Amino acid sequence: GAGVSQSPSNKVTEKGKDVELRCDPISGHTALYWYRQSLGQGLEFLIYFQGNSAPDKSGLPSDRFSAERTGGSVSTLTIQRTQQEDSAVYLCASSLMGRAGARGSPLHFGNGTRLTVT
Amino acid sequence: DAKTTQPTSMDCAEGRAANLPCNHSTISGNEYVYWYRQIHSQGPQYIIHGLKNNETNEMASLIITEDRKSSTLILPHATLRDTAVYYCIVANTGNQFYFGTGTSLTVIP
Repeated sequence: GAGVSQSPSNKVTEKGKDVELRCDPISGHTALYWYRQSLGQGLEFLIYFQGNSAPDKSGLPSDRFSAERTGGSVSTLTIQRTQQEDSAVYLCASSLMGRAGARGSPLHFGNGTRLTVT
Repeated sequence: DAKTTQPTSMDCAEGRAANLPCNHSTISGNEYVYWYRQIHSQGPQYIIHGLKNNETNEMASLIITEDRKSSTLILPHATLRDTAVYYCIVANTGNQFYFGTGTSLTVIP
């Protein structure tokens, strides 16, 4: 594909339900990142993958949030027992090299999944 | 924490050059300067990045001062579609991409 693909584009769920958000990075990109953006706010870093491992999970807001990446490609972000404060746009990005920035590899973003918890 | 300072908002006349400033006085030697923009309801779009030298691509030019403490993004002929929030980021690793609140650029017809 030409860019980072995220699905679904929109998700409405009831408080307390679990949700899974999917990210398909650009082919060949080894690094993958999840961010979230609340209305009118900047981007908040959640987690970073290098290949299938996650050397930095420091941004995950609670143990209800988890993410995995398989085959060095697709990643899923899972939110368990969703709360209203989880409502936000969840953005995925990928970059060609690990530690994007160390060699000037920019992040390329998808258009996000808009999650609404009612 | 934000390592950059940008004006909150700017206006630019259509067809004129838009010059967006960014201060990054605490930048370290191995950190790059990146510019992104975000149009409503879309993910951030990569524009350009640089380390020391000025850079130019099909979208914009990036001018970095010799001491690397500030930079300017130049859109040479702004169009209405360039209305967006522009983010200046200094980073060494991807998980240090702190987007802050950026500059809201409005291109006026």
